[in-house]
Amino acid sequence: QAQLQESGPGLVKPSETLSLTCSVSGGSVSSGFYYWSWIRQPPGKGLEWIGYVYYSGSTNYNSSLKSRVTILVDRSKNQFSLKLTSVTAADTAVYYCARLSGGSGWYYFDYWGQGTLVTVSS
Amino acid sequence: SYELTQPPSVSVSPGQTATIACSGDNLGDKLVAWYQQRPGQSPVVLVYQDTKRPSGISDRFSGWNSDNTATLTIDGAQSMDEAEYYCQAWDGTTGVFGGGTKLTVL
Repeated sequence: QAQLQESGPGLVKPSETLSLTCSVSGGSVSSGFYYWSWIRQPPGKGLEWIGYVYYSGSTNYNSSLKSRVTILVDRSKNQFSLKLTSVTAADTAVYYCARLSGGSGWYYFDYWGQGTLVTVSS
Repeated sequence: SYELTQPPSVSVSPGQTATIACSGDNLGDKLVAWYQQRPGQSPVVLVYQDTKRPSGISDRFSGWNSDNTATLTIDGAQSMDEAEYYCQAWDGTTGVFGGGTKLTVL
């Protein structure tokens, strides 16, 4: 069974770039059966889908974040990553990586990392 | 952009049935998943493709989706079911979550 683990700085300054990595074990990011996704949750609030990457490198992003987001896959390290530029306090959240399983129109997040809190503050 | 609307809170007595609704325009034409998130934990999928349960999920949890509303039903509510519940669907290639419903068992 897949295990996902987020890593990266817990504190980022305003206007800088948030960078996180998700390490995958018990499965391969090179599998064509899954997409690999990032989701965030501001403190005390709900879940927000950020985007996903396929093993080929193709991506899809939430339109509200698209201009600032990049998700990449590193098949050699069995990892995928998130970069969010020009962050503000509104980007403070717990960031989760998750695996997407299923099929067209019915993908669902079946495995999640434990989440990592990123605070944007000077 | 597409929106999914959930009631902020639902209360249920122990042993009774809880129903959590999720509404959206023509939601019945989409396929809905439901997630449970206990405090301080990551979400766990309870239902996908409207009605299917992943292996290991109790059959006390069931889902339905029709017209503009999807529902998650929890039979025989227990204290361990106290959590936040989120519905989720795809609007084309965009993932959308509902705002979440806090279930209280008292």
